[in-house]
Amino acid sequence: RKEVEQDPGPFNVPEGATVAFNCTYSNSASQSFFWYRQDCRKEPKLLMSVYSSGNEDGRFTAQLNRASQYISLLIRDSKLSDSATYLCVVSTGFQKLVFGTGTRLLVSP
Amino acid sequence: EPEVTQTPSHQVTQMGQEVILRCVPISNHLYFYWYRQILGQKVEFLVSFYNNEISEKSEIFDDQFSVERPDGSNFTLKIRSTKLEDSAMYFCASRGMVPPEQYFGPGTRLTVT
Repeated sequence: RKEVEQDPGPFNVPEGATVAFNCTYSNSASQSFFWYRQDCRKEPKLLMSVYSSGNEDGRFTAQLNRASQYISLLIRDSKLSDSATYLCVVSTGFQKLVFGTGTRLLVSP
Repeated sequence: EPEVTQTPSHQVTQMGQEVILRCVPISNHLYFYWYRQILGQKVEFLVSFYNNEISEKSEIFDDQFSVERPDGSNFTLKIRSTKLEDSAMYFCASRGMVPPEQYFGPGTRLTVT
């Protein structure tokens, strides 16, 4: 089983749509959870950390379900600039990040 | 806003040569990392470095690789005797004590011919 699993997509959505990304992780000892975005041939950029209580940052909402080992990201009112690959990332401590393969999002006019 | 920087942005080398990739982490950060991403694949952890020593390394990080913090600002990855399969984007990352978020540099694209 992969350490971090994501649907590879691509997800094609029109501007203004709501889109949801899901992710599962296999290591129950994972302690920290993140969503990064990556544009083509660029570095991963931190989008948000994910907490058990859920957290929201503008149009973005992240949820964590430790019992199900499941992480989600919701983007509301999607913009053309949201087109990117969204990476689900977990860490067991203060050290290495374990990346999923990413889900590609294409937002069209 | 402070950022991680990396040089060079693109390095072309011949098989068997040695390369040094350089990174300047965010100035007050204490933990440093190298990751790589082969084209079309996921980002993979190579090594973490704290308090002037390696704290964790992956199976990829074998004797061909080494890291160093030669001064108070630079963090380097040396790849000896490069192979074709070393061609990838190499990302440096750093983080402070808390919170645990890691911030990535723009990467060095290494092409081994």
